[in-house]
Amino acid sequence: DIQVTQSPSSVSASVGDRVTITCRASQDIGIWLAWYQQKPGEAPELLMYAASSLHSGVPSRFSGSGSGTDFTLSISSLQPEDFATYYCQQSNSFPYTFGQGTKLEIK
Amino acid sequence: QVQLVQSGAEVKKPGASLTVSCKASGYTFINYDINWVRQAPGQGLEWMGWISAYNGDTNYAQNLQDRVFMATDTSTSTAYMELRSLRSDDTAMYYCARGAYSGTSYGLEVWGQGTTVTVSS
Repeated sequence: DIQVTQSPSSVSASVGDRVTITCRASQDIGIWLAWYQQKPGEAPELLMYAASSLHSGVPSRFSGSGSGTDFTLSISSLQPEDFATYYCQQSNSFPYTFGQGTKLEIK
Repeated sequence: QVQLVQSGAEVKKPGASLTVSCKASGYTFINYDINWVRQAPGQGLEWMGWISAYNGDTNYAQNLQDRVFMATDTSTSTAYMELRSLRSDDTAMYYCARGAYSGTSYGLEVWGQGTTVTVSS
C-alpha cells in the first residue's frame, strides 16, 4: 500500500498569513493527489484534485503543486473561515489512503 | 441539487452487523463511483472502499476486507455499506462520498452528511 505522510500535524497562523502544508507519498503517484478541508462537525470538502486543479467554487487563495512523491497545499492570505483540518489523499492506486491531517489553528 | 443522504445514527453491540445506506439525488447515479470513508472520534479519515455504481465492481481496504461488503441499487440510486462482526474500534462517523465524473482519481466531490455508529456492550 502507498503511505501518505502529511506535515506538519498542526500549525498556528494569523489572518492574512500564507501557510503551506506538505504531503509525501511512499512511492510515485504521478499527479494523483487530492486535498480536503474539514471543519468540526462537518463532512470533508474537496479543495484540489490532480495535485494542482482547483475544485469548482474553491477560492483562488488555495493552490496546490507537486508530482511524483512530494506535494504542497498553499493558502495565501488566510481568512477566518480557513481555520480547519486539511487532509491529502492519494488516488493513484487502491487503497486510496489519506494523510494523517494538518490542523490549522488561529495564532 | 446533487446530494447524498445517509441513514440515521446506529448503536450496535459487539459482534453485530451494520448497514448504512446512502441515497443519491440530483445526478445520474450509474455515472459516478461511490467511496466509503470513516472517521473515529478525534481521529483522521480512513478510506474503507470503493464501488462502481455502473457495474458493481468493488475494492476494499485490506484491514476490512473480511468484514465489509458494498453494494448499490440502481433502481433507487442508493449505495449500501455492510460491516460485520462489529468491534468497539468500529465506533466512528461513516461517510459515503461520490467520485468525480472522470473517476475517483479526480477527487471525492460530494459527501453525505455522515452516519454516527457506536459499538458498545
